Amino acid sequence: ETGVTQTPRHLVMGMTNKKSLKCEQHLGHNAMYWYKQSAKKPLELMFVYNFKEQTENNSVPSRFSPECPNSSHLFLHLHTLQPEDSALYLCASSQLTRGGSNQPQHFGDGTRLSIL
Amino acid sequence: GESVGLHLPTLSVQEGDNSIINCAYSNSASDYFIWYKQESGKGPQFIIDIRSNMDKRQGQRVTVLLNKTVKHLSLQIAATQPGDSAVYFCAEKTPRGNTGFQKLVFGTGTRLLVSP
Repeated sequence: ETGVTQTPRHLVMGMTNKKSLKCEQHLGHNAMYWYKQSAKKPLELMFVYNFKEQTENNSVPSRFSPECPNSSHLFLHLHTLQPEDSALYLCASSQLTRGGSNQPQHFGDGTRLSIL
Repeated sequence: GESVGLHLPTLSVQEGDNSIINCAYSNSASDYFIWYKQESGKGPQFIIDIRSNMDKRQGQRVTVLLNKTVKHLSLQIAATQPGDSAVYFCAEKTPRGNTGFQKLVFGTGTRLLVSP
């Protein structure tokens, strides 16, 4: 149990579908992240929410739309995806302090997304 | 650009041996480093971290060594067990930008195979 729960664990969708990925963290953290993990590539940061405010959009296409309604929940809305978007999507959370102390990010087990 | 790399994509060891996984980082201003373990079907799991003002840090059966002179990081696992079989990632925290959030740069990972 990592304290970060992602649903669904697996998702198959067509290119014209709309779906959403959900992430919930039970660690009391104030920052949440979306990452994309493709085969043989390093983890790619997609979005960062710091105190519910989006602070980073790492040049992600607009067909990916994040939403952070509160500090414990994070969504990734998907629309008109492409086959190359098939990957493992990981959510993470961490505790950011005003003093800038270093704390590790804790990951969920991801959603395996397949685009037909 | 910034990058974190691993010297060996696959490391095979016998149960009971000590394992050493290496990592090179490129940003001399990075001040925080993390090792993660990722088992099949799961998200990255935090193992151990180290700040740049330290050279060595020990955990339970694991030790991380940091050599800032050559920008090298290693993870040592003592008495490796079959349950240690996984992909191991190192990550470096890049210098904090204007947003203040923690951006991690990940390597592609080393697969550790432990045979009984």
